[in-house]
Parts: sequence; structure tokens; C-alpha cells
Amino acid sequence: KQEVTQIPAALSVPEGENLVLNCSFTDSAIYNLQWFRQDPGKGLTSLLLIQSSQREQTSGRLNASLDKSSGRSTLYIAASQPGDSATYLCAVISGTYKYIFGTGTRLKVLA
Amino acid sequence: GAGVSQSPSNKVTEKGKDVELRCDPISGHTALYWYRQSLGQGLEFLIYFQGNSAPDKSGLPSDRFSAERTGGSVSTLTIQRTQQEDSAVYLCASSKQIGQATDTQYFGPGTRLTVL
Repeated sequence: KQEVTQIPAALSVPEGENLVLNCSFTDSAIYNLQWFRQDPGKGLTSLLLIQSSQREQTSGRLNASLDKSSGRSTLYIAASQPGDSATYLCAVISGTYKYIFGTGTRLKVLA
Repeated sequence: GAGVSQSPSNKVTEKGKDVELRCDPISGHTALYWYRQSLGQGLEFLIYFQGNSAPDKSGLPSDRFSAERTGGSVSTLTIQRTQQEDSAVYLCASSKQIGQATDTQYFGPGTRLTVL
């Protein structure tokens, strides 16, 4: 059974810091991996989708990497801003549709 | 364009009552998914629709939970005889189709269900 773990569970940093969020999964036979952010009372917003054949994806200040063999993905956020404060969720896509989510990292960026 | 919408946004009910949660997917999306997010837990998959059929109901926690989709569009998640442990945020998502490497699910804002 696929299990997804995110570390740390919560993180508080001053504005401007670069930070790394970690996601690990137990079964390397994944289809894709996706990072989302969730704001309080809101749905999920997709940040980056990494296909199983890819090693990383970049969007603006965000960079996500994937190492299937070790069962790990990292989300790197450069020059963090207060607007980045949210819960970040990692989802592993097993098969072609089933998303298995981690419990998330709650990020707070202090002004 | 319009995203995935869900109604109601909040629902408070008494234990033992039935509730219906509605999801309107993005127009043209053939696949629709329901998830549940309980306090302190991650999102858990409940059910998935391809068109009007549900090939995978494996995540439904009990036979009190059911879902249907009509016309390949709107879906309703019904919880009968609600229990306090059903309290959670229920999220709906849709995608164009499955099986594409770049396909992604788009999520609605969720329905927060509170069972007293």
C-alpha cells in the first residue's frame, strides 16, 4: 500500500528565506507526482506536476524534483514571501487517476 | 473560465440525518473524483467517475455513502444516517480524461460538513 509522508508538518520562516519541503513515498511505481497548495477554506491549487519520466519541474520561484528510486520529492521555494503562507500537499498518482496525498506541510512566512 | 464548483459550502446537520453534497465539474471534463479531508488527516480518495459510471468505489468508507453522476456532468455525494465521524471537508475534482501523462485534476473549494 502506497504511503506518502511530508516533513516537516509545520514550518515558520522569515520573509526572504529559501526553503525546502520534503515528500517521501513507499512505492516507487508511480505515474506522476504533483504539488498543490491549499489556502484556508479553499480548494487545492496545482503548483507543479512531474511526470514519472521527469526529474524536475520549475515555475517561477518554485522548483520540484523527483527521485523515484529513492521515493522522494522536494519542493524548493526561493525568496519566500508572506503570500506563500499556505499548506503544501504532495500527491502521488498511482495508476492513471488515483491520487494519494501526504498530510501536508503548513508554511507560515513572516513579514 | 469557470472552475469546479461545490454546494453547499458549509453544511451543519444532526446525527442520523441524510445529506447531499453537489459537485459541478469543469465543462467538458469526463472524469470526476470525490475526496474527504478530515481534521489532522490527509485527503483520502472516495470514488471516481468516468462519464456516468463509477469504475472505482473502493474509497467509500461504508454503505451509508453513495454517489451518482448524471448526464456526464453534475455529481451528488449522499451520506445517509450521518455520524459525527463523517464531519470533514468533502472535495470534488475533475479532469479532462484519464490516462494522459499531463492530465491534472482541478479541485473545487469543498463542502465543510459538520455533524452534531
